Amino acid sequence: DADVTQTPRNRITKTGKRIMLECSQTKGHDRMYWYRQDPGLGLRLIYYSFDVKDINKGEISDGYSVSRQAQAKFSLSLESAIPNQTALYFCATSGRASYNEQFFGPGTRLTVL
Amino acid sequence: RKEVEQDPGPFNVPEGATVAFNCTYSNSASQSFFWYRQDCRKEPKLLMSVYSSGNEDGRFTAQLNRASQYISLLIRDSKLSDSATYLCVVNNNNAGNMLTFGGGTRLMVKP
Repeated sequence: DADVTQTPRNRITKTGKRIMLECSQTKGHDRMYWYRQDPGLGLRLIYYSFDVKDINKGEISDGYSVSRQAQAKFSLSLESAIPNQTALYFCATSGRASYNEQFFGPGTRLTVL
Repeated sequence: RKEVEQDPGPFNVPEGATVAFNCTYSNSASQSFFWYRQDCRKEPKLLMSVYSSGNEDGRFTAQLNRASQYISLLIRDSKLSDSATYLCVVNNNNAGNMLTFGGGTRLMVKP
């Protein structure tokens, strides 16, 4: 079984809809991250969390919110989706052994029409 | 200017060739450096760390030039399975200890 899972894997939604992306991990890591990936722009950090209920804004947090109610789960919400939020979204985790090595989930491909 | 810049490629090379990628970073205070590999439609995975003295892992050699602020990755005897996007990653050791990813360099190894 995968250590970091994301649901859904693919989602098509309409402008203005609320959508939630879920991330779960079985690695026991304390740190979790949400990134988006766009062609040519690389991975950009949206939000990160160092522990339960700890929330920190990343480079591009506008239009997104997150929740970390349990160590193993970190969810990302788009309150009112817009087309330029169409992207590939990755969740990642890292732990005390090496915070520099991040373990990524398989990604969620989101399309906003 | 992007914090971490890479030539997006693609680099098209025949099997057995040696290929090198460079990456430049803008923050002179950056402390830690890495190469991640991302296969098509897959998640990134750590390939190797980059140490000041340079380091080698099989066919892969990573080097750091702090004075010029660039990092390199050399792949010898390329295999078809090396085809992927290689992401240059920098840790600025700032308050959040966050990683900054380059846009990636795409490598295609042909038979």
